[in-house]
Amino acid sequence: QQQVRQSPQSLTVWEGETAILNCSYEDSTFDYFPWYHQFPGESPALLIAIRPVSNKKEDGRFTIFFNKREKKFSLHIADSQPGDSATYFCAASYNTGYQNFYFGKGTSLTVIP
Amino acid sequence: DTTVKQNPRYKLARVGKPVNLICSQTMNHDTMYWYQKKPNQAPKLLLFYYDKILNREADTFEKFQSSRPNNSFCSLYIGSAGLEYSAMYLCASSRGQGNTGQLYFGEGSKLTVL
Repeated sequence: QQQVRQSPQSLTVWEGETAILNCSYEDSTFDYFPWYHQFPGESPALLIAIRPVSNKKEDGRFTIFFNKREKKFSLHIADSQPGDSATYFCAASYNTGYQNFYFGKGTSLTVIP
Repeated sequence: DTTVKQNPRYKLARVGKPVNLICSQTMNHDTMYWYQKKPNQAPKLLLFYYDKILNREADTFEKFQSSRPNNSFCSLYIGSAGLEYSAMYLCASSRGQGNTGQLYFGEGSKLTVL
């Protein structure tokens, strides 16, 4: 059973547009939801994360919207830049002292100048 | 230094042969993870060490072994490689209790089984 579902698999936007990446999860006891990005040839790195006490988290052009009732969360990238082109992974974890992370399949984002 | 290093970066193995992948980190993180990543699939958690305690996922319990001789090193061992083991293997580390939840990933070890 896939714990975290992510869509779309690939997304192309023009420079300046807002890119929207979506994720949903199964287990309501997950309590930490990070987004990682991975540039070609590099390792995944943490971009931004949210906990269920909030329904929104912003960091510059990156915003997570979180809907606990529907078990969904999304990443909005405002004013997309060509340098944002990468693969983005959403994830979910339990806070049990150590954390098991379950990832989505990833969204390959291409920003066209 | 927030790097996680993996060796080898590329590994070619014959079916039925063993494979040993190595990971190291110098951040004194108490948790180290191994993920398997295949194209168009989510990174799949194989196992993780919290301090000296090994936790393996139920569906990969018998396929992968691991050891952690000290806090900095963690290995992933495949006793008899099959074609289905061809994948990118990602090592990651994090601090345990009271952590920020951030995983630090290595660059991966790409395993090709022929």
